[in-house]
Amino acid sequence: AQSVTQLDSQVPVFEEAPVELRCNYSSSVSVYLFWYVQYPNQGLQLLLKYLSGSTLVKGINGFEAEFNKSQTSFHLRKPSVHISDTAEYFCAVSDPSRGSTLGRLYFGRGTQLTVWP
Amino acid sequence: ETGVTQTPRHLVMGMTNKKSLKCEQHLGHNAMYWYKQSAKKPLELMFVYNFKEQTENNSVPSRFSPECPNSSHLFLHLHTLQPEDSALYLCASSQKAAGALGDTQYFGPGTRLTVL
Repeated sequence: AQSVTQLDSQVPVFEEAPVELRCNYSSSVSVYLFWYVQYPNQGLQLLLKYLSGSTLVKGINGFEAEFNKSQTSFHLRKPSVHISDTAEYFCAVSDPSRGSTLGRLYFGRGTQLTVWP
Repeated sequence: ETGVTQTPRHLVMGMTNKKSLKCEQHLGHNAMYWYKQSAKKPLELMFVYNFKEQTENNSVPSRFSPECPNSSHLFLHLHTLQPEDSALYLCASSQKAAGALGDTQYFGPGTRLTVL
């Protein structure tokens, strides 16, 4: 099965600073990649996804992510964060090569982003 | 109501109780999912339903019993749970049949379950 590693469990940052949340996955074959955000007491919401094409993907709320196939990474970035970005962020991978589990999402453990004033 | 709704939002139950979690999606989607979210662990896929038919059971203990009467509703029946089953249970849906490549899953707010 795929495995997804989110290298930082917690990322504290001050308001208006840039942030990068790291995500690496295990397979070197073609995959589909997702970032979801979970605000307190809510379900997961899609931020952005990479299926094909440009390796730089833009999402909602000013976030973007870059797919790097050689490094099997899909790091999430925002140039200037707001307090409202405080939430847990999940990276997920879908492996189109895996037969009966086609399309199944494999999630990382999550990164808690806390933005301080 | 819009999106994916789940009831109840919080549930406390003893190990001998029987309870049910309910999920409803108002998006016209064809696939529905149950996930378990435990602290500091990746989301665990439990069950997948395509057009009301169960297509995946991820080795879930039989004390969890899903039911999907139609494409809009999904239930999770709980019986003789253990304290380690305490977690946030998330329901999700997707437009295409489960397994469609790159299809977005839409999540409900979850039910916070505590087993005493």
